[in-house]
Amino acid sequence: DIQMTQSPSSLSASVGDRVTITCRASQGIRNDLCWYQHKPGKPPKRLIFAASSLQSGVPSRFSGSGSGTEFTLTISSLQPEDFATYYCLQHNNYPPTFGQGTKVEIK
Amino acid sequence: QVQLQESGPGLVKPSETLSVTCSVSGGLMTNYYWSWIRQPPGKGLEWIGYVYYSGSTNYNPSLRSRVTMSIDTSKNQFSLRLNSVTAADTAVYYCARAGIVGASDFWGQGSLVTVSS
Repeated sequence: DIQMTQSPSSLSASVGDRVTITCRASQGIRNDLCWYQHKPGKPPKRLIFAASSLQSGVPSRFSGSGSGTEFTLTISSLQPEDFATYYCLQHNNYPPTFGQGTKVEIK
Repeated sequence: QVQLQESGPGLVKPSETLSVTCSVSGGLMTNYYWSWIRQPPGKGLEWIGYVYYSGSTNYNPSLRSRVTMSIDTSKNQFSLRLNSVTAADTAVYYCARAGIVGASDFWGQGSLVTVSS
């Protein structure tokens, strides 16, 4: 299985901060990567697909970049509703595998 | 917008079979991969497998010997069965839709299934 190493595992940030989360794949996955936001008691929400394509309805402050083995999710200006856990997922190689998650908390 | 809702037993005894059903509304099942993902308490997400609208399946090799998935497009439902469960199978079980295998776009709220005697 492809290992997805996500960092950091948690971070504290303030409203308005720029936040960057990184995912590294154990082997090249082209751009077959999604980012999800997960809040307690709610279904995970896809933010980004194909590494950098914004899901319809997702605010433009979210962006994704990368290809191959290194990927980044950036929140340009953190909003109160963005406090959640974020996961990356690779679907280039079977079975699909997730990163361990990054919990974004209020500073 | 498509919505998915899991329904599960809540509690299953060790060595028995866990069954969860996902009901789909607001969209067709055709041409999609209908997936199951789980998250044990305090742990990460694990992809279990999918059933295609045609009925073909593909499972995570780590669970393949114990998993069966099925679909009933006339009822807009698909199901997961996991046999010979242990405490390690205690998790929130999510169903999800994907146009590309693995790249799920819509998920259900999740159903907590606890394995305990």
